[in-house]
Amino acid sequence: EPEVTQTPSHQVTQMGQEVILRCVPISNHLYFYWYRQILGQKVEFLVSFYNNEISEKSEIFDDQFSVERPDGSNFTLKIRSTKLEDSAMYFCASSFETGFNQPQHFGDGTRLSIL
Amino acid sequence: GENVEQHPSTLSVQEGDSAVIKCTYSDSASNYFPWYKQELGKGPQLIIDIRSNVGEKKDQRIAVTLNKTAKHFSLHITETQPEDSAVYFCAASTYNNNDMRFGAGTRLTVKP
Repeated sequence: EPEVTQTPSHQVTQMGQEVILRCVPISNHLYFYWYRQILGQKVEFLVSFYNNEISEKSEIFDDQFSVERPDGSNFTLKIRSTKLEDSAMYFCASSFETGFNQPQHFGDGTRLSIL
Repeated sequence: GENVEQHPSTLSVQEGDSAVIKCTYSDSASNYFPWYKQELGKGPQLIIDIRSNVGEKKDQRIAVTLNKTAKHFSLHITETQPEDSAVYFCAASTYNNNDMRFGAGTRLTVKP
């Protein structure tokens, strides 16, 4: 069964450094999402992306965050200047289409640790 | 924006018993309600979903019910097995699915 893959599985970064989290969505999917899960808390929506632009973003997704689809397969989340509170699991998801709520399929996440 | 509340936060049952997890949502425009199972070290995996045009959906031992008037939906697992032990999340989103909001999760433990 096709799956969403994320790399790296664990990223350790010094506070203030830039970090890029990578995702390869399912190949025929058109909609891409990033979520965040702080340890022990709920999964929080960050951003959705379609047709090379952001469709929707939450209040968490401030100017420090950006997303990009640099080629036909990768979908990245960049945090420009990391803060301690950015430490969390980051999940990428994709869906085939968004009309009438197509299921989102999640990767296994990247654990981001900010020191 | 949408707010999803989920109860209970932890649930422990004996193998073979049923488990019920309940969620409420605030945005009457929400019309898609998926349930995800998250095992340790893994991402959320979709186990069942329901759309607002139906009141109940069943898939083997798992069923979901939706009450749009009361804005709540529930996950029912029958004949629980130890491998059902995981954290379960409910979620809600509107038609365009662009802003899915999750509940806080329920840690289900099935004791053999």
